[in-house]
Amino acid sequence: DVKVTQSSRYLVKRTGEKVFLECVQDMDHENMFWYRQDPGLGLRLIYFSYDVKMKEKGDIPEGYSVSREKKERFSLILESASTNQTSMYLCASSPLGQKGIAEAFFGQGTRLTVV
Amino acid sequence: KQEVTQIPAALSVPEGENLVLNCSFTDSAIYNLQWFRQDPGKGLTSLLLIQSSQREQTSGRLNASLDKSSGRSTLYIAASQPGDSATYLCAAPPSNTGKLIFGQGTTLQVKP
Repeated sequence: DVKVTQSSRYLVKRTGEKVFLECVQDMDHENMFWYRQDPGLGLRLIYFSYDVKMKEKGDIPEGYSVSREKKERFSLILESASTNQTSMYLCASSPLGQKGIAEAFFGQGTRLTVV
Repeated sequence: KQEVTQIPAALSVPEGENLVLNCSFTDSAIYNLQWFRQDPGKGLTSLLLIQSSQREQTSGRLNASLDKSSGRSTLYIAASQPGDSATYLCAAPPSNTGKLIFGQGTTLQVKP
């Protein structure tokens, strides 16, 4: 089975802290994604990556950065955490398959609270 | 721009009922459509993926259909059980990049 593992289920951080959320997948997938999920707003894409050291902005990249130094690992960085970044963060991966084949798999989520 | 809509937002049914969850999308040129399940406070579990060339996919008591011409997909759950209670989300990629556009989800409660 495909496994996407996020390093923490729950995190509490202080305003202004630099926060790292880690995600590892074990299926050699090319694509990796970070989403956040908020009540009433649904899932929104923050950043994604198609390959090592490659990244592209999603719909809401402000206040975030990412790092992908190895194919299996994709990190989300909150440069200076703010209370409006309190959210559920979800990592996903998918293969760079043929058209229509790329099934996405998600991690268990990280509930981040910024106080 | 692809938009995905799920109606209703919530659904409550007695155990044993067969039910249908709806998903609508605006751009018929989709690459695939994926259905997920999410339990409270948890991540998303992939249920079914329908490729653009397919009309339906089945897994156990679940059957998902895709009608590109009408911009609709349905998830059929047979003989519902309390353990099926969860939020169900559909999502479609706007291109072959793997990025997903999600619906808002339908929260299902199956009462014993």
